[in-house]
Amino acid sequence: NAGVTQTPKFQVLKTGQSMTLQCAQDMNHEYMSWYRQDPGMGLRLIHYSVGAGITDQGEVPNGYNVSRSTTEDFPLRLLSAAPSQTSVYFCASQGAGYGYTFGSGTRLTVV
Amino acid sequence: AQSVTQLDSQVPVFEEAPVELRCNYSSSVSVYLFWYVQYPNQGLQLLLKYLSGSTLVKGINGFEAEFNKSQTSFHLRKPSVHISDTAEYFCAVKTSYDKVIFGPGTSLSVIP
Repeated sequence: NAGVTQTPKFQVLKTGQSMTLQCAQDMNHEYMSWYRQDPGMGLRLIHYSVGAGITDQGEVPNGYNVSRSTTEDFPLRLLSAAPSQTSVYFCASQGAGYGYTFGSGTRLTVV
Repeated sequence: AQSVTQLDSQVPVFEEAPVELRCNYSSSVSVYLFWYVQYPNQGLQLLLKYLSGSTLVKGINGFEAEFNKSQTSFHLRKPSVHISDTAEYFCAVKTSYDKVIFGPGTSLSVIP
């Protein structure tokens, strides 16, 4: 099984550009989340979804947008990239028992 | 809202020595607790979890953790570490109606 697939693995953006980070899972999980990981700060929740058509904000939602049109896909959009959004982004899905399955991450640099 | 504290940002330990990584949480309601491991340049992987029942939880790779409700702690232990255990370890907490919150992480370095 593929689990959680994130693309791209690496991306460099210029300030002000927009892009979409893709996330797909094949485990039929209802709950999916996006986190960003910064040194010394652990993982901070950006947005999450409890099922298709339902999304909500996490701790650090500003500058990001999400949608959930299918159970499998949960893309994260950066509307106008800023250097403060340089980070490693992880998508995760949650199955029975509440444990997360994480993707391998997207390393984003905004210059 | 709940929060998670990992008191040690870095823990160096010699190979084959025991290790304990500390995790404390705050929450006014019952919680579910997790430990995740992140190897360099990889995503996080679930080590173990406490949902209910026995307070001693065994996970993968020889790790175990003990839930202590009175001390609001969920410390991770391993009796004998290997070089391959060098990684970042994250404690996480969730309530039945709230999101998963992660601690800042502890970097475990195993010294040959």
